[in-house]
Amino acid sequence: AQKITQTQPGMFVQEKEAVTLDCTYDTSDPSYGLFWYKQPSSGEMIFLIYQGSYDQQNATEGRYSLNFQKARKSANLVISASQLGDSAMYFCAMSSLIQTGANNLFFGTGTRLTVIP
Amino acid sequence: DAGITQSPRHKVTETGTPVTLRCHQTENHRYMYWYRQDPGHGLRLIHYSYGVKDTDKGEVSDGYSVSRSKTEDFLLTLESATSSQTSVYFCAISESQGLGTEAFFGQGTRLTVV
Repeated sequence: AQKITQTQPGMFVQEKEAVTLDCTYDTSDPSYGLFWYKQPSSGEMIFLIYQGSYDQQNATEGRYSLNFQKARKSANLVISASQLGDSAMYFCAMSSLIQTGANNLFFGTGTRLTVIP
Repeated sequence: DAGITQSPRHKVTETGTPVTLRCHQTENHRYMYWYRQDPGHGLRLIHYSYGVKDTDKGEVSDGYSVSRSKTEDFLLTLESATSSQTSVYFCAISESQGLGTEAFFGQGTRLTVV
C-alpha cells in the first residue's frame, strides 16, 4: 500500500529565506510519481512540481525544487526566497497507476507554512 | 486555469437525505476523480471515471455512488447523507494516463451534514 508522511504540521519562515518541507513515502510500486500541491486559504489545489521515480535529476520550477532521495524515500520541497504569498497548506502526493490507466494520487496530511514579514 | 466547475460550492443538508454534487469540465479530459478532504487525512479518492459510463471505486467509496453520462459531467451522489460525510469534496481531471500526468482540481464543495 502507498503511504505519504508529512511530519511537520506547521512551519514558519522569514520572508526571503529558504524553507524545506519534508515528505517521506512508502510504496512497493517500481514506478511512481511524486507531486507537491499548494492550497491557499481560498481552498483551491495548485500544482507546484512533479518528480518521476526514474528521473535522474531533481525537479525545479522557478523558486520550487524537489529534493528527491530515492534510497531514503524522501521527496522534500524546497522553496527559495519565501514570499508572503507562499503562506498556505502544502501537500505531498504520490501517483499510482490504476488498472484502467487512471492515476490515483495518495496525499499526505499537509504542512501549513506561514511566512513572517 | 483548467475549466472545472463544481456545484454547489457550499451545502448544508440533513442526515438521511440524498445529495448530488456536480463536476463540470470544459477541457474534454478523459479522467475525472472525486476526492474528499478531511483534517488529518489529506485528500482521499472516492471514485473515479476513465470514460463515459466507465467508473470505479477509490479507497473511501462506501456510501457514495457516481455517474458519468457525458464527457464533461461527473456526478457524486450521497444516497443517504451521514454526519461522517461532512467534508470538503474536490473534483479533479487529468488528460491522459501516466504517472506524471498532472491533475487539475476544482474549487471544492463544502458539505455539512447536520
